[in-house]
Amino acid sequence: TQLLEQSPQFLSIQEGENLTVYCNSSSVFSSLQWYRQEPGEGPVLLVTVVTGGEVKKLKRLTFQFGDARKDSSLHITAAQPGDTGLYLCAGLLNTGNQFYFGTGTSLTVIP
Amino acid sequence: DTEVTQTPKHLVMGMTNKKSLKCEQHMGHRAMYWYKQKAKKPPELMFVYSYEKLSINESVPSRFSPECPNSSLLNLHLHALQPEDSALYLCASSRYIQGINEKLFFGSGTQLSVL
Repeated sequence: TQLLEQSPQFLSIQEGENLTVYCNSSSVFSSLQWYRQEPGEGPVLLVTVVTGGEVKKLKRLTFQFGDARKDSSLHITAAQPGDTGLYLCAGLLNTGNQFYFGTGTSLTVIP
Repeated sequence: DTEVTQTPKHLVMGMTNKKSLKCEQHMGHRAMYWYKQKAKKPPELMFVYSYEKLSINESVPSRFSPECPNSSLLNLHLHALQPEDSALYLCASSRYIQGINEKLFFGSGTQLSVL
């Protein structure tokens, strides 16, 4: 059983479209991270959110941490082919000392 | 230097072979990790080292044997692997064992195929 469920699992969109990826759990996290992984490479950290309700923006990417710190979302505006990759959320439990990765969302942006 | 370097990048081995994966970082990080990842799936934690001591072993079969010779190096010794062990093996490091403000820096991985 995965602690963090991501949806959708796969997403294929045209360049210029907007999209949202969700990361949900029934557990409360003290912090949550988003990573992007390109084929043949390791994941690269995009952002860390630590406060319930927090919103962070990174150019065309907007990250939100849920008020109850159980969920998070990643919104991409005007997707570009360079956004293609596997998006992973990873949460740190209040009681834990390791990050648990979500189930992953594979995004393909078609030129 | 913010790199985690893994070698080799690709490895093909038979079920009776013994091989080792290597990982190196020079960021002064005191926590190092091994993850296993299947295609389009999330990384699965295998081992965590903190200050060169094994801190977490996620019930990994004994055919995988980690070693941390010093604070910059992490090895994963492989012996008598099964075809289902074929995967991308990722090494990562962080300043200290994962905490609220810690960041994981990943290497590019070793793509392992067991025949």
